[in-house]
Amino acid sequence: QKEVEQDPGPLSVPEGAIVSLNCTYSNSAFQYFMWYRQYSRKGPELLMYTYSSGNKEDGRFTAQVDKSSKYISLFIRDSQPSDSATYLCAMYSSASKIIFGSGTRLSIRP
Amino acid sequence: DGGITQSPKYLFRKEGQNVTLSCEQNLNHDAMYWYRQDPGQGLRLIYYSQIVNDFQKGDIAEGYSVSREKKESFPLTVTSAQKNPTAFYLCASSMVRDEQFFGPGTRLTVL
Repeated sequence: QKEVEQDPGPLSVPEGAIVSLNCTYSNSAFQYFMWYRQYSRKGPELLMYTYSSGNKEDGRFTAQVDKSSKYISLFIRDSQPSDSATYLCAMYSSASKIIFGSGTRLSIRP
Repeated sequence: DGGITQSPKYLFRKEGQNVTLSCEQNLNHDAMYWYRQDPGQGLRLIYYSQIVNDFQKGDIAEGYSVSREKKESFPLTVTSAQKNPTAFYLCASSMVRDEQFFGPGTRLTVL
Protein backbone atom coordinates (compact mmCIF):
# COMPACT_ATOMS: atom_id res chain seq x y z
CA GLN A 1 0.00 0.00 0.00
CA LYS A 2 1.33 3.45 -0.92
CA GLU A 3 1.79 5.96 1.88
CA VAL A 4 -0.24 8.51 -0.08
CA GLU A 5 -3.10 7.60 -2.42
CA GLN A 6 -4.54 9.97 -4.99
CA ASP A 7 -7.13 9.24 -7.67
CA PRO A 8 -5.36 9.80 -11.02
CA GLY A 9 -8.49 10.92 -12.83
CA PRO A 10 -8.87 12.35 -15.37
CA LEU A 11 -11.58 14.50 -13.87
CA SER A 12 -13.62 16.64 -16.30
CA VAL A 13 -16.08 19.28 -15.08
CA PRO A 14 -17.88 22.26 -16.69
CA GLU A 15 -16.64 25.78 -16.14
CA GLY A 16 -18.02 27.31 -12.95
CA ALA A 17 -18.38 23.99 -11.13
CA ILE A 18 -16.96 23.28 -7.69
CA VAL A 19 -14.10 20.80 -7.89
CA SER A 20 -13.07 18.46 -5.09
CA LEU A 21 -9.66 16.80 -5.21
CA ASN A 22 -8.68 14.30 -2.52
CA CYS A 23 -5.82 12.31 -1.04
CA THR A 24 -5.69 9.68 1.65
CA TYR A 25 -2.62 8.70 3.62
CA SER A 26 -1.54 6.00 6.03
CA ASN A 27 1.15 7.66 8.20
CA SER A 28 -0.52 9.31 11.19
CA ALA A 29 2.69 11.26 11.90
CA PHE A 30 2.22 13.53 8.86
CA GLN A 31 1.68 17.10 10.05
CA TYR A 32 2.36 19.32 7.03
CA PHE A 33 0.19 19.13 3.93
CA MET A 34 0.59 20.79 0.55
CA TRP A 35 -1.14 21.01 -2.81
CA TYR A 36 0.81 21.68 -5.97
CA ARG A 37 -0.54 22.55 -9.43
CA GLN A 38 1.38 21.36 -12.46
CA TYR A 39 0.66 22.50 -15.99
CA SER A 40 1.71 20.24 -18.84
CA ARG A 41 5.50 20.14 -19.33
CA LYS A 42 6.08 22.60 -16.46
CA GLY A 43 7.37 22.26 -12.91
CA PRO A 44 4.84 22.00 -10.04
CA GLU A 45 3.94 25.25 -8.29
CA LEU A 46 2.91 25.40 -4.64
CA LEU A 47 -0.78 26.31 -4.23
CA MET A 48 -1.59 25.67 -0.59
CA TYR A 49 0.37 24.76 2.53
CA THR A 50 -1.35 23.77 5.76
CA TYR A 51 -0.29 22.51 9.13
CA SER A 52 -2.30 19.97 11.11
CA SER A 53 -6.11 19.77 10.84
CA GLY A 54 -8.59 22.36 9.69
CA ASN A 55 -9.33 24.55 6.68
CA LYS A 56 -7.31 27.16 4.87
CA GLU A 57 -8.76 29.43 2.21
CA ASP A 58 -6.96 31.41 -0.49
CA GLY A 59 -9.20 33.04 -3.08
CA ARG A 60 -11.09 30.32 -4.95
CA PHE A 61 -9.05 27.56 -3.30
CA THR A 62 -9.74 25.86 0.03
CA ALA A 63 -7.54 23.19 1.55
CA GLN A 64 -9.04 20.90 4.15
CA VAL A 65 -7.23 18.44 6.42
CA ASP A 66 -8.96 15.74 8.48
CA LYS A 67 -6.22 14.00 10.46
CA SER A 68 -8.65 11.68 12.22
CA SER A 69 -9.64 10.20 8.85
CA LYS A 70 -6.21 10.68 7.26
CA TYR A 71 -7.84 12.55 4.42
CA ILE A 72 -7.06 15.86 2.75
CA SER A 73 -9.00 17.79 0.13
CA LEU A 74 -8.58 20.73 -2.18
CA PHE A 75 -11.73 22.56 -3.27
CA ILE A 76 -11.79 24.90 -6.25
CA ARG A 77 -14.78 27.23 -6.50
CA ASP A 78 -15.97 28.84 -9.73
CA SER A 79 -13.58 26.67 -11.73
CA GLN A 80 -11.98 28.20 -14.83
CA PRO A 81 -10.41 26.62 -17.94
CA SER A 82 -7.07 27.95 -16.65
CA ASP A 83 -7.44 25.59 -13.67
CA SER A 84 -6.96 22.64 -16.05
CA ALA A 85 -3.79 20.97 -14.80
CA THR A 86 -2.52 18.07 -12.73
CA TYR A 87 -2.86 18.56 -8.98
CA LEU A 88 -0.42 16.86 -6.64
CA CYS A 89 -0.87 16.45 -2.92
CA ALA A 90 2.20 16.19 -0.71
CA MET A 91 2.82 15.75 2.98
CA TYR A 92 5.54 15.17 5.56
CA SER A 93 6.32 14.99 9.26
CA SER A 94 9.17 16.48 11.24
CA ALA A 95 10.99 13.16 10.88
CA SER A 96 10.26 12.27 7.24
CA LYS A 97 10.94 13.50 3.75
CA ILE A 98 8.09 14.81 1.62
CA ILE A 99 5.84 12.17 0.07
CA PHE A 100 3.93 13.09 -3.08
CA GLY A 101 0.70 11.68 -4.41
CA SER A 102 0.69 10.54 -8.02
CA GLY A 103 -1.46 13.49 -9.12
CA THR A 104 -5.01 14.02 -10.40
CA ARG A 105 -5.46 15.35 -13.92
CA LEU A 106 -8.23 17.97 -14.01
CA SER A 107 -9.92 19.37 -17.11
CA ILE A 108 -12.38 22.31 -17.00
CA ARG A 109 -14.70 22.39 -20.01
CA PRO A 110 -15.61 25.91 -21.27
CA ASP B 1 14.26 37.80 -9.16
CA GLY B 2 14.47 34.71 -6.93
CA GLY B 3 13.86 31.23 -8.23
CA ILE B 4 15.13 27.92 -9.46
CA THR B 5 16.50 27.48 -12.95
CA GLN B 6 17.11 24.25 -14.82
CA SER B 7 18.97 23.78 -18.06
CA PRO B 8 18.65 22.67 -20.69
CA LYS B 9 14.88 22.52 -21.19
CA TYR B 10 15.23 19.60 -23.61
CA LEU B 11 18.12 17.13 -23.77
CA PHE B 12 18.82 14.22 -26.06
CA ARG B 13 21.15 11.39 -25.13
CA LYS B 14 22.64 8.66 -27.21
CA GLU B 15 22.98 5.14 -25.88
CA GLY B 16 26.02 4.78 -23.59
CA GLN B 17 26.44 8.52 -23.08
CA ASN B 18 26.57 10.39 -19.78
CA VAL B 19 24.68 13.68 -19.60
CA THR B 20 24.52 16.36 -16.89
CA LEU B 21 21.44 18.36 -15.97
CA SER B 22 21.94 21.73 -14.34
CA CYS B 23 20.00 23.13 -11.38
CA GLU B 24 20.66 26.53 -9.79
CA GLN B 25 18.74 28.38 -7.07
CA ASN B 26 19.09 31.88 -5.61
CA LEU B 27 16.55 31.42 -2.82
CA ASN B 28 19.26 30.78 -0.21
CA HIS B 29 17.72 27.37 0.46
CA ASP B 30 19.83 24.81 2.26
CA ALA B 31 18.22 21.70 0.74
CA MET B 32 18.00 20.67 -2.88
CA TYR B 33 16.34 17.67 -4.53
CA TRP B 34 16.15 15.81 -7.82
CA TYR B 35 12.98 14.01 -8.90
CA ARG B 36 12.06 11.96 -11.89
CA GLN B 37 8.52 12.12 -13.26
CA ASP B 38 7.09 9.51 -15.60
CA PRO B 39 3.52 9.59 -16.95
CA GLY B 40 1.03 8.47 -14.31
CA GLN B 41 3.71 7.78 -11.68
CA GLY B 42 4.02 11.04 -9.80
CA LEU B 43 7.39 12.19 -8.49
CA ARG B 44 10.14 9.79 -7.51
CA LEU B 45 13.09 11.04 -5.47
CA ILE B 46 16.52 10.42 -7.01
CA TYR B 47 18.92 12.29 -4.68
CA TYR B 48 18.74 15.05 -2.14
CA SER B 49 21.18 17.28 -0.31
CA GLN B 50 20.61 19.19 2.91
CA ILE B 51 24.01 20.83 3.11
CA VAL B 52 27.00 21.59 0.89
CA ASN B 53 29.31 18.63 0.22
CA ASP B 54 26.75 16.13 1.49
CA PHE B 55 23.94 14.26 -0.27
CA GLN B 56 21.81 11.14 0.18
CA LYS B 57 20.28 8.62 -2.17
CA GLY B 58 16.56 8.72 -2.72
CA ASP B 59 14.30 5.93 -3.86
CA ILE B 60 15.72 5.49 -7.38
CA ALA B 61 19.40 6.56 -7.24
CA GLU B 62 20.83 3.74 -9.38
CA GLY B 63 22.34 5.06 -12.59
CA TYR B 64 22.48 8.67 -11.36
CA SER B 65 25.12 10.77 -9.59
CA VAL B 66 25.14 14.25 -8.04
CA SER B 67 27.48 16.78 -6.48
CA ARG B 68 26.89 19.71 -4.14
CA GLU B 69 30.00 21.89 -4.20
CA LYS B 70 28.06 25.14 -3.83
CA LYS B 71 24.88 25.97 -1.95
CA GLU B 72 23.29 27.35 -5.11
CA SER B 73 24.02 24.43 -7.41
CA PHE B 74 23.05 20.74 -7.50
CA PRO B 75 23.84 19.14 -10.90
CA LEU B 76 22.55 15.67 -11.77
CA THR B 77 24.46 13.29 -14.05
CA VAL B 78 22.52 10.57 -15.80
CA THR B 79 25.05 7.83 -16.46
CA SER B 80 25.07 5.07 -19.05
CA ALA B 81 24.13 2.68 -16.23
CA GLN B 82 20.62 4.18 -16.16
CA LYS B 83 18.87 1.87 -18.61
CA ASN B 84 15.63 3.80 -19.02
CA PRO B 85 16.47 7.48 -18.62
CA THR B 86 13.76 9.00 -20.82
CA ALA B 87 11.69 11.11 -18.39
CA PHE B 88 10.94 14.59 -17.10
CA TYR B 89 13.48 15.64 -14.45
CA LEU B 90 12.57 18.16 -11.78
CA CYS B 91 14.86 19.97 -9.37
CA ALA B 92 13.48 21.47 -6.15
CA SER B 93 14.82 23.40 -3.19
CA SER B 94 13.64 24.22 0.31
CA MET B 95 14.73 25.20 3.73
CA VAL B 96 15.34 21.92 5.54
CA ARG B 97 11.98 20.24 6.37
CA ASP B 98 9.92 22.91 4.69
CA GLU B 99 7.78 23.17 1.56
CA GLN B 100 9.65 22.61 -1.70
CA PHE B 101 9.79 24.92 -4.68
CA PHE B 102 10.36 23.46 -8.13
CA GLY B 103 12.24 24.45 -11.24
CA PRO B 104 10.72 24.29 -14.74
CA GLY B 105 12.11 20.83 -15.49
CA THR B 106 14.32 19.16 -18.11
CA ARG B 107 12.89 16.65 -20.55
CA LEU B 108 15.48 13.98 -21.36
CA THR B 109 15.03 11.71 -24.35
CA VAL B 110 17.22 8.78 -25.33
CA LEU B 111 17.80 8.48 -29.05
